[in-house]
Amino acid sequence: DGGITQSPKYLFRKEGQNVTLSCEQNLNHDAMYWYRQDPGQGLRLIYYSQIVNDFQKGDIAEGYSVSREKKESFPLTVTSAQKNPTAFYLCARSRDRDYGYTFGSGTRLTVV
Amino acid sequence: GENVEQHPSTLSVQEGDSAVIKCTYSDSASNYFPWYKQELGKRPQLIIDIRSNVGEKKDQRIAVTLNKTAKHFSLHITETQPEDSAVYFCAASYGGSQGNLIFGKGTKLSVKP
Repeated sequence: DGGITQSPKYLFRKEGQNVTLSCEQNLNHDAMYWYRQDPGQGLRLIYYSQIVNDFQKGDIAEGYSVSREKKESFPLTVTSAQKNPTAFYLCARSRDRDYGYTFGSGTRLTVV
Repeated sequence: GENVEQHPSTLSVQEGDSAVIKCTYSDSASNYFPWYKQELGKRPQLIIDIRSNVGEKKDQRIAVTLNKTAKHFSLHITETQPEDSAVYFCAASYGGSQGNLIFGKGTKLSVKP
């Protein structure tokens, strides 16, 4: 799994519901990222964290929230404020700036 | 803001032919340029990368070239095979303090047997 695990693989959300996507890494890396992928849109950055207890908004943070209480964990909450949450969500880790990312296997979120 | 342009968005080649995907970036401070391959329904995986102090890097059938003056970098795949069919993403490190990657929108490569 490249030292990074996402769960669940598939998630269904009802209208008005908050859901949390899990991302865990076991390589003691500081940097973690959340991306959203829609067909034809590439990868868009939602949030990132370079250190425990600190995180920054990416390009499309509205309707999402994160926490970084432990180095190994970076969960993403998709809130009811996110009006179009159906997408493929990818978490990534990196050993340092200017290094490649290793992605998790992704969570496919669908609104029902 | 900073961005990475990737072309073409789709590319179809015959098995055995070469494929070239090109990217341009806007941040002159970018110094790290990875390429990712994503098969359908799977995670993107790093296939090759290059740093700004190198003009070309090769790994078997895959090569990447970088022209810092023109802010261009390209992925070259020779002797393509059906298993090369996937979406390929280029990326460039953002020159700010975080060094985050900015991704292109992807190229869907189809290799016809």
